[in-house]
Amino acid sequence: NAGVMQNPRHLVRRRGQEARLRCSPMKGHSHVYWYRQLPEEGLKFMVYLQKENIIDESGMPKERFSAEFPKEGPSILRIQQVVRGDSAAYFCASSRDRDGYTFGSGTRLTVV
Amino acid sequence: QKEVEQNSGPLSVPEGAIASLNCTYSDRGSQSFFWYRQYSGKSPELIMSIYSNGDKEDGRFTAQLNKASQYVSLLIRDSQPSDSATYLCAVPDGATNKLIFGTGTLLAVQP
Repeated sequence: NAGVMQNPRHLVRRRGQEARLRCSPMKGHSHVYWYRQLPEEGLKFMVYLQKENIIDESGMPKERFSAEFPKEGPSILRIQQVVRGDSAAYFCASSRDRDGYTFGSGTRLTVV
Repeated sequence: QKEVEQNSGPLSVPEGAIASLNCTYSDRGSQSFFWYRQYSGKSPELIMSIYSNGDKEDGRFTAQLNKASQYVSLLIRDSQPSDSATYLCAVPDGATNKLIFGTGTLLAVQP
């Protein structure tokens, strides 16, 4: 029973490059959520997806950020033209329905 | 904007004492409540959920919910140094299923 799988665990990008973060939900979970956590800060909601649908993207920055959850394969959070302020831990979580989430181990993004 | 409020701490308690962590929320219609534990550098881990007014016990953990006061708390009995972590309160957004998290309370259990 694999949990929520995120990769890579650590990602270093130079300013202006693209970052792609991947998340495979737990088996049987159809709801995927992405959160961002800055050092010493709380978890900030970014986007909620189900297969092939974005349900709520109210926490996504208007530019450079996008997310998808295709019919096949993992959910992808994509950050284009990264800036230093994008450095953070990005957590993916999944749920079966309205129960609590299970979180992945996160991707620590460092922009240099 | 729905809000979840927690004292950031740190809350320092001696080993063996009861740690009491508090959370208030703004959405009176909220029906479910969750407590997560997050160790430094790790991901959040669900430790308790509560849906009805009153107490819910699970081992050394007790969650308490008072919907009239819009207040949920987490008690940790016989606190251990291994309980030292940040404890996050979370409440679902009514319109979608996304969880709104408080900023967390840092608990430090002193040996």
